[in-house]
Amino acid sequence: GAVVSQHPSWVICKSGTSVKIECRSLDFQATTMFWYRQFPKQSLMLMATSNEGSKATYEQGVEKDKFLINHASLTLSTLTVTSAHPEDSSFYICSAAPPVSTDTQYFGPGTRLTVL
Amino acid sequence: AQSVTQLDSHVSVSEGTPVLLRCNYSSSYSPSLFWYVQHPNKGLQLLLKYTSAATLVKGINGFEAEFKKSETSFHLTKPSAHMSDAAEYFCVVSQGGGGYNKLIFGAGTRLAVHP
Repeated sequence: GAVVSQHPSWVICKSGTSVKIECRSLDFQATTMFWYRQFPKQSLMLMATSNEGSKATYEQGVEKDKFLINHASLTLSTLTVTSAHPEDSSFYICSAAPPVSTDTQYFGPGTRLTVL
Repeated sequence: AQSVTQLDSHVSVSEGTPVLLRCNYSSSYSPSLFWYVQHPNKGLQLLLKYTSAATLVKGINGFEAEFKKSETSFHLTKPSAHMSDAAEYFCVVSQGGGGYNKLIFGAGTRLAVHP
């Protein structure tokens, strides 16, 4: 089956530093990847849609200069949280969509970010 | 715009008894609807998907859901709960608009299964 990995699975950083999270589709090519944020005991909120070779599309209220997304290849998208602050602490989940379907997404296991 | 409402934030059942997780949707056109499950420290897993074919959709692990347009509902059921079913369940609607469709998640229902 389609597998999506994320690295790291958890990260702790100091306030003011930047953190990069990788999302990889392991056995299929993904022209589109999505980044979600999940607060404790809450639902997933879509942050942005990432298309290979083009700029990401951010949802309303998401700061694109704060959350930098790069989708440089058909199997890799990265999310960089710049100048992280404690309020950025959250569970970040990516998903990848295969080319043949418009609403099928395969989800990664998530990355827990804690900013001290 | 599309949206989903999960009517129960927590559901608790005994092992071997039926499971019912309720979901109502709002959509201006015939929607695609999904149920996903999230186990601790694991990625979201697709249980089942409705895309305007049969109204009764069978999924993995014995789960099924029935699409009822008149009630705008897509409730998830399982005849007999297993301890391994304890997890967070999300009802999801697909929002179209060109290109890949966005997934809109419900608030989630935490299912507890007791011995």
